[in-house]
Amino acid sequence: DARVTQTPRDKVTEMGQEVTMRCQPILGHNTVFWYRQTMMQGLELLAYFRNRAPLDDSGMPKDRFSAEMPDATLATLKIQPSEPRDSAVYFCASGSAETQYFGPGTRLLVL
Amino acid sequence: AQSVTQPDIHITVSEGASLELRCNYSYGATPYLFWYVQSPGQGLQLLLKYFSGDTLVQGIKGFEAEFKRSQSSFNLRKPSVHWSDAAEYFCAVGADHTDKLIFGTGTRLQVFP
Repeated sequence: DARVTQTPRDKVTEMGQEVTMRCQPILGHNTVFWYRQTMMQGLELLAYFRNRAPLDDSGMPKDRFSAEMPDATLATLKIQPSEPRDSAVYFCASGSAETQYFGPGTRLLVL
Repeated sequence: AQSVTQPDIHITVSEGASLELRCNYSYGATPYLFWYVQSPGQGLQLLLKYFSGDTLVQGIKGFEAEFKRSQSSFNLRKPSVHWSDAAEYFCAVGADHTDKLIFGTGTRLQVFP
């Protein structure tokens, strides 16, 4: 049963530290999405890639966030430096507009 | 710009009762519409989707949804709710000519035995 995997599942860090979240999309899916979920803002699209190229990162704070796909099996989302307001659940999804398959998320707490 | 409204933040039903979750969208043409479910601590799972054709679509877990263009609605229904249906439900619309989805704010469903 193919699924999207994300690591770590939980991360607690201190303000100012670098955080890297990883996602392994479903094999064969060429579109990868990063979302952030908070109580206040709900589910927000941060960025998405097709064939490893960034198509839209307009939802991402550019000064501290960066997203990459070093290869077809790995997507990364990095926050440097992290701030308490970055505390949220970060989801990766792969697929297409017709169907997106979500990973279990990384729960980030920045103290 | 496209948008999605889920007017009910929280709904409580008794097990075995029928369910309808509301979703209204704003979009100029025929939209791509979706319902996703999120169980506690989990990612989102696709329940069903509408692209074209029959306006009543069947999904997984016994859910169905009806697209009504005149009302700009895509309400989710289930005739008899099970305790395991307790979760958060998100309606979404596909954005113009992209793979992006625009999600509503979600409806939390609580099921009483």
